[in-house]
Amino acid sequence: AQTVTQSQPEMSVQEAETVTLSCTYDTSESDYYLFWYKQPPSRQMILVIRQEAYKQQNATENRFSVNFQKAAKSFSLKISDSQLGDAAMYFCAYPQGGSEKLVFGKGTKLTVNP
Amino acid sequence: AAGVIQSPRHLIKEKRETATLKCYPIPRHDTVYWYQQGPGQDPQFLISFYEKMQSDKGSIPDRFSAQQFSDYHSELNMSSLELGDSALYFCASSHRDRDSSYEQYFGPGTRLTVT
Repeated sequence: AQTVTQSQPEMSVQEAETVTLSCTYDTSESDYYLFWYKQPPSRQMILVIRQEAYKQQNATENRFSVNFQKAAKSFSLKISDSQLGDAAMYFCAYPQGGSEKLVFGKGTKLTVNP
Repeated sequence: AAGVIQSPRHLIKEKRETATLKCYPIPRHDTVYWYQQGPGQDPQFLISFYEKMQSDKGSIPDRFSAQQFSDYHSELNMSSLELGDSALYFCASSHRDRDSSYEQYFGPGTRLTVT
């Protein structure tokens, strides 16, 4: 079975500091995409960043970047200069088996302390 | 930019009643997905449609059915509602023919409460 594992149920960070959320996944595919979604208290699911597995370069979107280790099947999210608005639940997700359905990890709740 | 629209945003039903959730995808998106997120849970895939045909099916109860119409909007019909159906139901859309990543854009969700 293809799974996505987020080992940190909760994390906290001081405002303006950096935090890294971890995610590992299991797949037999060689070409795939990975996603991080943010779910703030409003419960809206917001796409934060995506990574293409065949690309060596780690994806970056402003303060958000990933550390993608394909051999280790690891896909961590780094948030730099954390802001109060970054407080949310973060889900790592993967399209299962080359199909369309996203499989999500259990999520990491991020708290940003002022 | 236009986003995915879901209606209603909140719905309260009693056990054994029927509910219909609607989803309007981003214009020109050809694929619609439905997910269910229980309290404190991650979203679980229910069903998807590509060009008005069912394309994939997840853990959707037999009491639920869905379809995509000619204008690409989709409806999720839920019958014989149970307390355990109380959840946040997301619709998402993507443009599969243009983007092979299956990047999905989520609507705001419909919060269903069954009493």
